[in-house]
Amino acid sequence: DSGVTQTPKHLITATGQRVTLRCSPRSGDLSVYWYQQSLDQGLQFLIQYYNGEERAKGNILERFSAQQFPDLHSELNLSSLELGDSALYFCASSVGTVNQPQHFGDGTRLSIL
Amino acid sequence: QQPVQSPQAVILREGEDAVINCSSSKALYSVHWYRQKHGEAPVFLMILLKGGEQKGHEKISASFNEKKQQSSLYLTASQLSYSGTYFCGIVPNAGGTSYGKLTFGQGTILTVHP
Repeated sequence: DSGVTQTPKHLITATGQRVTLRCSPRSGDLSVYWYQQSLDQGLQFLIQYYNGEERAKGNILERFSAQQFPDLHSELNLSSLELGDSALYFCASSVGTVNQPQHFGDGTRLSIL
Repeated sequence: QQPVQSPQAVILREGEDAVINCSSSKALYSVHWYRQKHGEAPVFLMILLKGGEQKGHEKISASFNEKKQQSSLYLTASQLSYSGTYFCGIVPNAGGTSYGKLTFGQGTILTVHP
C-alpha cells in the first residue's frame, strides 16, 4: 500500500461527457503528479502540483484540467471525452518537488464507450 | 523527448542476471527507475543524480553515465518477484520548472521463470 488513494477505481462513461478523478496523497507529501497510461502511449506525465500551485506541465490536453486543494488532495477533470481518452490514470505523490521518489496510487481506469 | 530503453523484453531463469539500458538524446539532470507489475501501480526503485548520488533499492544497482546520457539498471541473481515492466524516467538538464516532469521510456518487460 503506497498510501496514495485514488477514486474511483473504475469509471465508464460516454463520449462528450465530463468526469473528475480524485487523489489523496500520502500523509506529509506536498507534491501531486498525474499520469496517463495507455497501451500505445506508455506512461505520460500530465501535470504536477506542489502545495497548491502548478509546478510542471506535460502534454496535457486543453480539455483536461487539474487542481490541488488546501488539504493537498487533487482532482483531475476531463471534459468533452473522446474514445482516445480511455486509459489508466495514475496519481503519485512525493515529499518535495525535485528528485523525489514518487509513490503511485492504484489508478483510475477510465473507459469511454 | 522520450528516452529509449533496451532491450524491449528479456526472459530469465531464477538466479540469472540482467541489464536494462536507458538512453536519452538530451543532457540529463537525473534518471529515475520504476517497476510495474501487471495490473498494479509503478513502484519506485532508484534515483540517480548528476554527480553520482543514488537513492534507492538495496538489492538493485544502477549506473548513470552523464557524458553518454545513459543509465543502466543491473538486476543480479534474479528472483521470481523481479518480473514486471521496468521504466526509466528522465529529468532533463534544463532547470527551472522542468525538474518535476518525468518523461518515461517505453518500458522493458522482464520475465523470470523458475
